[in-house]
Amino acid sequence: GENVEQHPSTLSVQEGDSAVIKCTYSDSASNYFPWYKQELGKRPQLIIDIRSNVGEKKDQRIAVTLNKTAKHFSLHITETQPEDSAVYFCAASSDMDSSYKLIFGSGTRLLVRP
Amino acid sequence: SQTIHQWPATLVQPVGSPLSLECTVEGTSNPNLYWYRQAAGRGLQLLFYSVGIGQISSEVPQNLSASRPQDRQFILSSKKLLLSDSGFYLCAWSVSEGTQYFGPGTRLLVL
Repeated sequence: GENVEQHPSTLSVQEGDSAVIKCTYSDSASNYFPWYKQELGKRPQLIIDIRSNVGEKKDQRIAVTLNKTAKHFSLHITETQPEDSAVYFCAASSDMDSSYKLIFGSGTRLLVRP
Repeated sequence: SQTIHQWPATLVQPVGSPLSLECTVEGTSNPNLYWYRQAAGRGLQLLFYSVGIGQISSEVPQNLSASRPQDRQFILSSKKLLLSDSGFYLCAWSVSEGTQYFGPGTRLLVL
């Protein structure tokens, strides 16, 4: 089955710097890759997603890139702000599976220092 | 628009007691539904998912069970809670494009 690995497990950056979180997946059938942000004590919230028919997607300060050949995708946050501090999860799924199960990475705790 | 509800928000239960957590979705039909558990400071563990009424798939063998008595209702149950059942229980829904949206969660503490 699918396996998603996420790195780093913790990331500390200075406010205004960029942050990059990387994930690799094992199943070449995976074609949907969402990213979730989870603030302390809250539910995970979808922040951006990408499908395998595109290589990059951007939404203001966040962007996601996908390399299908290498089976990895990354989250890029530019001009980080203290409110970006949270745990970020990547995930992968395939629409060939009618359950649309998401296989999650283990999470990255991002701390933005003011 | 779609909304997902979970209750109760918090629960403190003694070891060996039963459990029933409920999740309901509004504003969509025939969603896929999911139950996750998140231990403190950890990742998301998929427990059960359902693609339709009465259809339940279990991901992890344990003393929990799930049921889907109605299209937009998903219930997580246990006959006898263990200490290790403590955690943050999240319900989620998705439709055909695969994006999952999470409910507010139930925080369960088993003492």
